[in-house]
Amino acid sequence: AQRVTQPEKLLSVFKGAPVELKCNYSYSGSPELFWYVQYSRQRLQLLLRHISRESIKGFTADLNKGETSFHLKKPFAQEEDSAMYYCALVNDYKLSFGAGTTVTVRA
Amino acid sequence: DAGVTQSPTHLIKTRGQQVTLRCSPKSGHDTVSWYQQALGQGPQFIFQYYEEEERQRGNFPDRFSGHQFPNYSSELNVNALLLGDSALYLCASSLVVRTDTQYFGPGTRLTVL
Repeated sequence: AQRVTQPEKLLSVFKGAPVELKCNYSYSGSPELFWYVQYSRQRLQLLLRHISRESIKGFTADLNKGETSFHLKKPFAQEEDSAMYYCALVNDYKLSFGAGTTVTVRA
Repeated sequence: DAGVTQSPTHLIKTRGQQVTLRCSPKSGHDTVSWYQQALGQGPQFIFQYYEEEERQRGNFPDRFSGHQFPNYSSELNVNALLLGDSALYLCASSLVVRTDTQYFGPGTRLTVL
């Protein structure tokens, strides 16, 4: 069965510092992985997907099949990046989410 | 387009009661998925509906059932409520050909006393 693990519940960084959110997965096959974000008082929304290899709001994520990881990175964190971040994997039409990481960016 | 809408926003029930939650998908979407999000956890997949049929189901008991209507809106029903059913229930809509891209509603907060 697929599983998504986000080992950090909380992450606090200073504005302008790099930020990296860890995500590990277990899945037999070729995974499709995503990062979702939930800003304060907003609904859960898609941030990026590995298949499109895009950078959204300065965030990137690389799929490492050898380490079964899909870490989310941003070189210079901004205060507006403070939010809850969820890593997710899709299989058979359903999304499996990790427990989430709360990111706080301090001025 | 208001996007995905859910009703009610909040609900309080007592153990043993039954509850119905409602969801209207984003305009143009034909598939609806339901998730349960307990406090401090990520959303857990309950089931997905397409063409008024349950297409896929997560590890939830039969007390959780659903329905999709011809206009693609959906209901989630939970019977014989338990304290552990207290959670935020999220609805997400998508196109059947792109169920990897789901748009979420604001959720319904269910409290079971």
